[in-house]
Amino acid sequence: AQKITQTQPGMFVQEKEAVTLDCTYDTSDQSYGLFWYKQPSSGEMIFLIYQGSYDEQNATEGRYSLNFQKARKSANLVISASQLGDSAMYFCAMREGRNFNKFYFGSGTKLNVKP
Amino acid sequence: GAVVSQHPSWVICKSGTSVKIECRSLDFQATTMFWYRQFPKQSLMLMATSNEGSKATYEQGVEKDKFLINHASLTLSTLTVTSAHPEDSSFYICSYAGAASRSEQFFGPGTRLTVL
Repeated sequence: AQKITQTQPGMFVQEKEAVTLDCTYDTSDQSYGLFWYKQPSSGEMIFLIYQGSYDEQNATEGRYSLNFQKARKSANLVISASQLGDSAMYFCAMREGRNFNKFYFGSGTKLNVKP
Repeated sequence: GAVVSQHPSWVICKSGTSVKIECRSLDFQATTMFWYRQFPKQSLMLMATSNEGSKATYEQGVEKDKFLINHASLTLSTLTVTSAHPEDSSFYICSYAGAASRSEQFFGPGTRLTVL
């Protein structure tokens, strides 16, 4: 089974609107971390937001928020007030394992923000 | 956050030659670095975990004799693609992650390898 599943290969959103990027994960660990990264066309990986498995509150970082539903094993990224610069690939990732030395990435979602 | 550099940022080489990619941690000491490979429009694939002073741990399906990893110091890990072929053309990214579960990975800017 895939550790991280992103079911949306591509998404379009109108500038200034909100968009949700889906992510589900699979783990039997009790302690794990969930991350979202942005990868623009330049290739660099940019950290956006983190959610710990024991965190009760949904994580927020500026325009980014993470809708964490532990029972459903989902960690969707919500981007509010989309900007043209948000157009990029977005990867959901999970860190787990003994010493948290295992990282898994989803297949990514290509977000296009339309003016 | 931690700063990771990679060199070169891009390289073109002839088939059969070897290419070395350097990954440096600029403001911290990294006992563990990760090497990823990314094909166009695909996700990152972990190739190996580089451990300072010991042998790298390779993921299943990754040829250790083809992708040589050396982590000789706490600030430098190198990936050498030996006898490169066109199918080795890819984007190679290194990263570092702190030990805590909430520590994100700090990625290098990546190296784009094209084998002719």
